[in-house]
Amino acid sequence: GDSVTQMEGPVTLSEEAFLTINCTYTATGYPSLFWYVQYPGEGLQLLLKATKADDKGSNKGFEATYRKETTSFHLEKGSVQVSDSAVYFCALNLDSSYKLIFGSGTRLLVRP
Amino acid sequence: DAGVIQSPRHEVTEMGQEVTLRCKPISGHDYLFWYRQTMMRGLELLIYFNNNVPIDDSGMPEDRFSAKMPNASFSTLKIQPSEPRDSAVYFCASSLTPTDTQYFGPGTRLTVL
Repeated sequence: GDSVTQMEGPVTLSEEAFLTINCTYTATGYPSLFWYVQYPGEGLQLLLKATKADDKGSNKGFEATYRKETTSFHLEKGSVQVSDSAVYFCALNLDSSYKLIFGSGTRLLVRP
Repeated sequence: DAGVIQSPRHEVTEMGQEVTLRCKPISGHDYLFWYRQTMMRGLELLIYFNNNVPIDDSGMPEDRFSAKMPNASFSTLKIQPSEPRDSAVYFCASSLTPTDTQYFGPGTRLTVL
């Protein structure tokens, strides 16, 4: 079935380090891909999305490119801040479906 | 817009008690989703409404769970009777269309003792 696989956390980085969180997916159709972020004690917020192959989603310095050939949507940021500490969820949604399928989440901890 | 509103933010109850969680979606959003988040199972979709009508409740774990949407601005998720394994964070989300961005509320953390 359709699924999303994320790298296991926690990921611990120093401030200003480069971030990559890996995400790969399995889908029978042509999904839209999302990254959601969950700050402590809060709900999920959409961080960025891409709806077709080769699209790049970007927001707040984060980027992810929809790679159909590798079925991946890795999240990157060039210089993380302490305020980026949160749990990051990769998700997919098929055009024919309402259902968001989430990965297990990756906790990011950024140290000063 | 205030975003999706959920209440209460925290609920502690004893096994066997009835629990009601509440959600107010973003005005104009015709689709409402209830999710459950646990360490073991991650985020799971429980049920989804379109224009106040339940469309798919296949994710509802048991008959002890029920959800209603009496009008476009209010939904409830009820657990009766509650059990310790129901302890989780329950999120409500809404969207304009079923495949559009879903906007999540802050969640209700439920603890069943």
